[in-house]
Amino acid sequence: EAQVTQNPRYLITVTGKKLTVTCSQNMNHEYMSWYRQDPGLGLRQIYYSMNVEVTDKGDVPEGYKVSRKEKRNFPLILESPSPNQTSLYFCASSLKPRKGSGYTFGSGTRLTVV
Amino acid sequence: QQQVKQSPQSLIVQKGGISIINCAYENTAFDYFPWYQQFPGKGPALLIAIRPDVSEKKEGRFTISFNKSAKQFSLHIMDSQPGDSATYFCAAIKSQVGGSQGNLIFGKGTKLSVKP
Repeated sequence: EAQVTQNPRYLITVTGKKLTVTCSQNMNHEYMSWYRQDPGLGLRQIYYSMNVEVTDKGDVPEGYKVSRKEKRNFPLILESPSPNQTSLYFCASSLKPRKGSGYTFGSGTRLTVV
Repeated sequence: QQQVKQSPQSLIVQKGGISIINCAYENTAFDYFPWYQQFPGKGPALLIAIRPDVSEKKEGRFTISFNKSAKQFSLHIMDSQPGDSATYFCAAIKSQVGGSQGNLIFGKGTKLSVKP
């Protein structure tokens, strides 16, 4: 089944403790992206990657890092999480977004930073 | 600056009625306009999409109307059903070379509730 898999689904952590949210897709998509979803703010892009070793900032990149060493994986790293990073996070991938191919989203990771 | 503005924030419709969600954009570089549907606990899923060279696209009960001169587009859900209750996001993509091509810019979402 074609899918984007995020782990973990739920995570509670403490301020300052480094964490990684993994994202993997099995569709051989070149493009991958991370979004955070907050009430009243919709989905805001954190980082995206056009291909392996090619990443760039989205609208809200502060406090986050990403890497794209393999085509299928695009982990989101929070080096020193803070409470304002409490949110619902989604990873997405697309074959050819410039041609209008749809994005496939993961099921989300709900992160709470206390 | 919000690049895609969506309204209303929430919408309650009776079963069988028409649900209408509106979006407006500023950037004329946008050239692909998808709508995503999100159920609680799930990620958004592509529902229907349109390009600006077309004024209307229909798929089943879902229709996108597009007004290029006004830079507005809307989603119409005909014969709305309780199973349509979800959050709907309009979005836009710039597909020109250079810059953040291919990045989805989302509206803030509309929570639709269809009452039986």
